[in-house]
Amino acid sequence: KAGVTQTPRYLIKTRGQQVTLSCSPISGHRSVSWYQQTPGQGLQFLFEYFSETQRNKGNFPGRFSGRQFSNSRSEMNVSTLELGDSALYLCASSHPTTYEQYFGPGTRLTVT
Amino acid sequence: GEDVEQSLFLSVREGDSSVINCTYTDSSSTYLYWYKQEPGAGLQLLTYIFSNMDMKQDQRLTVLLNKKDKHLSLRIADTQTGDSAIYFCAESISGGYQKVTFGTGTKLQVIP
Repeated sequence: KAGVTQTPRYLIKTRGQQVTLSCSPISGHRSVSWYQQTPGQGLQFLFEYFSETQRNKGNFPGRFSGRQFSNSRSEMNVSTLELGDSALYLCASSHPTTYEQYFGPGTRLTVT
Repeated sequence: GEDVEQSLFLSVREGDSSVINCTYTDSSSTYLYWYKQEPGAGLQLLTYIFSNMDMKQDQRLTVLLNKKDKHLSLRIADTQTGDSAIYFCAESISGGYQKVTFGTGTKLQVIP
């Protein structure tokens, strides 16, 4: 079974631009969560989607948004990028009955 | 609110046992996880324990939970150089709603 995939793996953007990251969960997993990982703040929960609905949201500004499609694939969008948005963005999908979370390799975003 | 704390660094000799400790604050935590992150990679779920369990063993890994003290530990027997990584403790209140709170991570260094 294929694991969680994230695209792109690396991204360089300029302040003020926007970016869209993509995540494909493991087949059969309907819950997708997004996390931001930085050296200073560690791993922080962004949001979680299930059946195309956002069920949970972390403490991030409205510039961070996401969506989920009917095939469970998810995207997150960051608008008006700031230098502090430079981070590793991790996506995880959850097993439908055991709730084990499986993480993708992440997208490394650098904002210059 | 939820808070998960870990020591930042642990150094052990190859072949010895490693014990990584974690404390959490939310008494309603239902699932407690241990993840491993190698350089440049996403998070790998190592094991997890339900809050109604005291111990779980999986090959070289032993998880101990002291619910009264809100203390979780991960013991790695016969530590190998390939175990060098950052280990994250994490908790969630409900497996169905995947808002997982992560600790700061413990960097394990295995000395040959």
